[in-house]
Amino acid sequence: NAGVTQTPKFQVLKTGQSMTLQCAQDMNHEYMSWYRQDPGMGLRLIHYSVGAGITDQGEVPNGYNVSRSTTEDFPLRLLSAAPSQTSVYFCASRPSLGTEAFFGQGTRLTVV
Amino acid sequence: DAKTTQPTSMDCAEGRAANLPCNHSTISGNEYVYWYRQIHSQGPQYIIHGLKNNETNEMASLIITEDRKSSTLILPHATLRDTAVYYCIVRALNSGYALNFGKGTSLLVTP
Repeated sequence: NAGVTQTPKFQVLKTGQSMTLQCAQDMNHEYMSWYRQDPGMGLRLIHYSVGAGITDQGEVPNGYNVSRSTTEDFPLRLLSAAPSQTSVYFCASRPSLGTEAFFGQGTRLTVV
Repeated sequence: DAKTTQPTSMDCAEGRAANLPCNHSTISGNEYVYWYRQIHSQGPQYIIHGLKNNETNEMASLIITEDRKSSTLILPHATLRDTAVYYCIVRALNSGYALNFGKGTSLLVTP
């Protein structure tokens, strides 16, 4: 059981480039989400999904797209990277709303 | 979700109990108290949660006051690896998806 796996762990992008952050879980959890964490701040929800084919926006969705074609995978796409998107990104999954959330180890993204 | 108040930072000697307080005076009857922690540069890790009764698991104990307006997370024998930011989150089971982590308490366990 690998839990929640995020790739890559580190990434440097130039302004305007696009990329996809990968997130996969092997626990058959329905709920998956993406958070970003900026220095000295708590985690803020970007997008979430309550099942395959269903996604919704969180607190800070602008500049990001998601899709959920399978239960296991929930990729986060940066359409045109901006320096303001420099952050640490965490993916999380959980079986249902009231249960504990499992987090990946994070992707540290720098946009120059 | 009810607002929570935690101290910004705390110290604890290795081997001693670490008692981390959380105030949640506006908690509603259907809201649970959750604790997560985040060790430097890692993803948050679930610790424990409870509604009104005290709870214990292999990681920690959660003590909730009878009026439910505050709670304490207890790490019975703190180790250096327990140095982390600890987040107290109060939420109902059906209160939406986001976990509001806030600033948490930075716990430093010293040798």
